[in-house]
Amino acid sequence: DAGITQSPRHKVTETGTPVTLRCHQTENHRYMYWYRQDPGHGLRLIHYSYGVKDTDKGEVSDGYSVSRSKTEDFLLTLESATSSQTSVYFCAISESGQGAMEYFGPGTRLTVT
Amino acid sequence: EDQVTQSPEALRLQEGESSSLNCSYTVSGLRGLFWYRQDPGKGPEFLFTLYSAGEEKEKERLKATLTKKESFLHITAPKPEDSATYLCAVWGRRGLTGGGNKLTFGTGTQLKVEL
Repeated sequence: DAGITQSPRHKVTETGTPVTLRCHQTENHRYMYWYRQDPGHGLRLIHYSYGVKDTDKGEVSDGYSVSRSKTEDFLLTLESATSSQTSVYFCAISESGQGAMEYFGPGTRLTVT
Repeated sequence: EDQVTQSPEALRLQEGESSSLNCSYTVSGLRGLFWYRQDPGKGPEFLFTLYSAGEEKEKERLKATLTKKESFLHITAPKPEDSATYLCAVWGRRGLTGGGNKLTFGTGTQLKVEL
């Protein structure tokens, strides 16, 4: 299996609390991405990183922030969780930034009550 | 805006009953089309890349084909272990800052293969 893990795998939190999800890779890939997956929607890009400390917004970035201080780690923070952020979150990595996302993580199921 | 539509939403087959899944797309300058398999509770797993109309790729019982407007994932003599959700994604001309891949995903076809 590719070396990409996510933590936690499941989390339940209350509205208004901050939450941080972690993605860790051992593939040394330059590009890392955070997606969310919801019924009736395809995977949607939240934020991505094209290098250490280089990040940018995706199509559904409101209410989220990211950080990447090391090649292997990419953190997604929900600054003040809302029920609309209940979702399954996937991290993905790409070596070249060209073509397919080579690997996805196992996902984090987040429930905001 | 790039768009991907997959059909049917769900498909139930008997073991050995061949069929096809459809991925229709509109994209500004197609650079590639990708198929993924996703098992329940797991992340998508990459299957195929198709770059140009007429191209075909095969892997075991799966064959992916591409035209200028759609892609098909043909499943020949499926087995229960082929049960999964199959996702299609397109890679268009518009990229991301820093050269990252901007992919647009469909909502998937949920395939169930029964004995």
